[in-house]
Amino acid sequence: EAQVTQNPRYLITVTGKKLTVTCSQNMNHEYMSWYRQDPGLGLRQIYYSMNVEVTDKGDVPEGYKVSRKEKRNFPLILESPSPNQTSLYFCASSLSLWRGWAYGYTFGSGTRLTVV
Amino acid sequence: KQEVTQIPAALSVPEGENLVLNCSFTDSAIYNLQWFRQDPGKGLTSLLLIQSSQREQTSGRLNASLDKSSGRSTLYIAASQPGDSATYLCAVRPVELNDMRFGAGTRLTVKP
Repeated sequence: EAQVTQNPRYLITVTGKKLTVTCSQNMNHEYMSWYRQDPGLGLRQIYYSMNVEVTDKGDVPEGYKVSRKEKRNFPLILESPSPNQTSLYFCASSLSLWRGWAYGYTFGSGTRLTVV
Repeated sequence: KQEVTQIPAALSVPEGENLVLNCSFTDSAIYNLQWFRQDPGKGLTSLLLIQSSQREQTSGRLNASLDKSSGRSTLYIAASQPGDSATYLCAVRPVELNDMRFGAGTRLTVKP
């Protein structure tokens, strides 16, 4: 089944303890992206990747890191989490954004992160 | 800057009713528009994708239209069911951005 898989689904952690949220897709998609969703603010892009070893900042990158060493994986790293990073996180992928018209997005099921 | 607005923010209808959800965007320079469904605390499920050259797309009881020049899209749901209760999000892919821009969503409740 074609899908985007995120892990973990739920995570409670303490301030300052490094964590990684994994994202993997099995569709050979070039483009991958991370979002956070907060009440009243909607979906905001954190980082995106156009292809392997190509990443760039989105609208709210502060406090996050990403890497794209393999096409299928795009982990989100919080080096020193803070309570304001408590949110619902989504990973998404798309076949490609290089071409003149764009393909749709496929989303993962989400990771609910609580930082205390 | 592309902004996407969805009205109404919430909608409650009795089962069986036909309904329309609205989405508007400020810049008509888009590649496509996508409608998603989101259940509480869950991920986004793609419902329909309309390319900028298309006027509408249909899937089962769902029909989405796109009027790019006026910056509007509608999602029509026929014969609504309680299982349709969810938040519906629209998103556009602006030409100048490497991302989609999302509306805040319409929370739909279909009462039995």
